[in-house]
Amino acid sequence: GEDVEQSLFLSVREGDSSVINCTYTDSSSTYLYWYKQEPGAGLQLLTYIFSNMDMKQDQRLTVLLNKKDKHLSLRIADTQTGDSAIYFCAETFMDSSYKLIFGSGTRLLVRP
Amino acid sequence: EAQVTQNPRYLITVTGKKLTVTCSQNMNHEYMSWYRQDPGLGLRQIYYSMNVEVTDKGDVPEGYKVSRKEKRNFPLILESPSPNQTSLYFCASRNLGEQETQYFGPGTRLLVL
Repeated sequence: GEDVEQSLFLSVREGDSSVINCTYTDSSSTYLYWYKQEPGAGLQLLTYIFSNMDMKQDQRLTVLLNKKDKHLSLRIADTQTGDSAIYFCAETFMDSSYKLIFGSGTRLLVRP
Repeated sequence: EAQVTQNPRYLITVTGKKLTVTCSQNMNHEYMSWYRQDPGLGLRQIYYSMNVEVTDKGDVPEGYKVSRKEKRNFPLILESPSPNQTSLYFCASRNLGEQETQYFGPGTRLLVL
């Protein structure tokens, strides 16, 4: 079945690292994505990882993938107040639909 | 600048009054899709289109129609809106491949009375 789960809320202090977690259930997914949604805006694709990779780093962002546990995480180093937003993970399948299955989102609050 | 535009951004309507939400992208992407976002449910796909004249149902297609007559436009049509279609709608386009890119529109907030 298709299901992606995330915790609802995370609060961190400015300058600390944030780790947002996501679990998925379908092992046939091929790409896993992280998005950022700021208030009143659409989703912004931050990064994605292919399912045969363990880790991907892009500036302050690090994605870790544990295929055995079907667990995906997004680490934001040196978190800033501008990182406050809702973060979504999603998985996709390379079937004919290329459908994205989204989690319900994690609201990140960065305290000064 | 790469972008996806949607219109209108906000709409209040009444049950049964047909409406269309437009979506346009300037990246020449073949793949476009519509999602609705509801509290606690993330985004759910309504319809998608692999290319011109090729559309298919997503997870929640009931009550919606789409068309893809040109590559850049992918309008969402509600023939007879009902209150359960009150939601936040996003259009998106994707460039599928190894270097995938995705762009989402700014959203259309719809209230059906």
